[in-house]
Amino acid sequence: LAKTTQPISMDSYEGQEVNITCSHNNIATNDYITWYQQFPSQGPRFIIQGYKTKVTNEVASLFIPADRKSSTLSLPRVSLSDTAVYYCLVGDTSGNTGKLIFGQGTTLQVKP
Amino acid sequence: GAVVSQHPSRVICKSGTSVKIECRSLDFQATTMFWYRQFPKKSLMLMATSNEGSKATYEQGVEKDKFLINHASLTLSTLTVTSAHPEDSSFYICSAASHRELTEGYTFGSGTRLTVV
Repeated sequence: LAKTTQPISMDSYEGQEVNITCSHNNIATNDYITWYQQFPSQGPRFIIQGYKTKVTNEVASLFIPADRKSSTLSLPRVSLSDTAVYYCLVGDTSGNTGKLIFGQGTTLQVKP
Repeated sequence: GAVVSQHPSRVICKSGTSVKIECRSLDFQATTMFWYRQFPKKSLMLMATSNEGSKATYEQGVEKDKFLINHASLTLSTLTVTSAHPEDSSFYICSAASHRELTEGYTFGSGTRLTVV
């Protein structure tokens, strides 16, 4: 399984755009890139998933370069409630059975 | 979206006893579910893959006789921590994938905080 590398922590202020980059040099052809958010004492919550190029939904954007060896999660105009741990995962989830291995994640602290 | 219910959310048990944690997919069928444990300030660690109607697949280093997994139906997987000890105190989380996994990813339960005293 491809290993992911993310910054351990990031600080931001309310209203700013936050970009968290994840490296996954050994990503396989069938692997998708998925980002999750976790608050203390809760299970992770799905944010966004992509395979290549750019994906956007109502909460975030995911940028994936052509070589797919990295990806960037972009959170527009963060608020205090976006303070959480963000995990980048890589895996073959197309068949509903691919396991997801969590890396260390990025702790985002949003300040007022 | 898909919902996974995990019960109980919090449990305290005495050392040497067994504890069962349930994970249910409420609005979809899940042939595969996953069990994780998480220590404070640490990431989630995959313990095992639970397969409906067959034996679970455990990750290296996870004792299958201590962490019993049963996946008897397409909507329910259980994790039983047998002969629990204080070092088993942790946050246990299950997850499952619906057919919508390509747009919604895997859905995680809300977790179970186990404290062994």
